[in-house]
Amino acid sequence: GENVEQHPSTLSVQEGDSAVIKCTYSDSASNYFPWYKQELGKGPQLIIDIRSNVGEKKDQRIAVTLNKTAKHFSLHITETQPEDSAVYFCAASNGNQAGTALIFGKGTTLSVSS
Amino acid sequence: KAGVTQTPRYLIKTRGQQVTLSCSPISGHRSVSWYQQTPGQGLQFLFEYFSETQRNKGNFPGRFSGRQFSNSRSEMNVSTLELGDSALYLCASSLSTTWGLAGGKDFTDTQYFGPGTRLTVL
Repeated sequence: GENVEQHPSTLSVQEGDSAVIKCTYSDSASNYFPWYKQELGKGPQLIIDIRSNVGEKKDQRIAVTLNKTAKHFSLHITETQPEDSAVYFCAASNGNQAGTALIFGKGTTLSVSS
Repeated sequence: KAGVTQTPRYLIKTRGQQVTLSCSPISGHRSVSWYQQTPGQGLQFLFEYFSETQRNKGNFPGRFSGRQFSNSRSEMNVSTLELGDSALYLCASSLSTTWGLAGGKDFTDTQYFGPGTRLTVL
């Protein structure tokens, strides 16, 4: 089955710096890659997602890139702010007739200090 | 639109008991998925329901079960609770463009998560 590895597990940056989180997946049939942000006491919140027919997607300070050949995708956050501090999860799915389970990475704890 | 709601938010049970958790999806969403989140194993897929049918199941023992009602609301049940069942149980809903409706093409709808139910087993 699908396996998603996420690095680093912790990341500390100064306010205004950029942060990059990387994930690799094992199932070449995976076609959907969302990123979620989880704050303490809350459920995961979708921040950006990308599908396999697209190589890059950007939404203001957040961007995601996908390399299907290498089977890895990355989250880029520019101009980080203290409110970006949270746990970030990547996930992969190969939605098909059997369903659309998300397989998650172990998470990255991002700390942004001012 | 109201988001995904889960009840109760917190539960304390003892070993051997059973528990039922409830999830109300976003209005108009037809698919509900359940995930277990623990510090050691992270986020793990339990099962997915669509049109009152279980469409997909993760690698969990049969003590974990679920169902979906005609209004898309879903419940999950854990019987004979074990200490290791202590976790945050998350429900996610999606519009669910089914495989068939997507023209037979692989497609995963965006999943939106609720706040979770924190289950503690003593």
